[in-house]
Amino acid sequence: GENVEQHPSTLSVQEGDSAVIKCTYSDSASNYFPWYKQELGKRPQLIIDIRSNVGEKKDQRIAVTLNKTAKHFSLHITETQPEDSAVYFCAASGGSNYKLTFGKGTLLTVNP
Amino acid sequence: GAGVSQSPSNKVTEKGKDVELRCDPISGHTALYWYRQSLGQGLEFLIYFQGNSAPDKSGLPSDRFSAERTGGSVSTLTIQRTQQEDSAVYLCASSLLGEGAAFFGQGTRLTVV
Repeated sequence: GENVEQHPSTLSVQEGDSAVIKCTYSDSASNYFPWYKQELGKRPQLIIDIRSNVGEKKDQRIAVTLNKTAKHFSLHITETQPEDSAVYFCAASGGSNYKLTFGKGTLLTVNP
Repeated sequence: GAGVSQSPSNKVTEKGKDVELRCDPISGHTALYWYRQSLGQGLEFLIYFQGNSAPDKSGLPSDRFSAERTGGSVSTLTIQRTQQEDSAVYLCASSLLGEGAAFFGQGTRLTVV
């Protein structure tokens, strides 16, 4: 089955800096890659996603890049703000049984 | 419905009792997932439904855990003879076909005392 590795597990940045979180996946048949943000005590919420027919997608301060050959994808947050502090999860699906497989999460702390 | 709905929001139960957790997915979503999240931890996969069948139940921790889904809609996760280590937030998510965005419910916080 699919295996998703996520790094780093914790990330601390200063307000205004950029943050990058990286994930790798194992199943070359995977073709859908979402990212979720989970604030303390809240449910995970989808923030951006990308399909395998594109290499990059942007939404304001957030961007995701995908390298299918290397089987890795990354989340980029620019001009970070304290409200970006949360746990971020990457995921992959579209393999043999379409199951959504999550990475273990990255705790991002943005210091004012 | 407008979103994924889970009930109850909170459940406190005595060790050894059985509990049932309910998930009502977004209407028309064929894929449904159950995850478990302990405090400060990641999303532990439990089971995945496509329609009424479960192609992957590999995450169920023991035979005390079972889940079913009827009519391709509502799902129930049952934990028998609960133990203290079962205490966690149980999250349900659904997606249109399994190959797309999954939306989470608010979770059920289970506390076994």
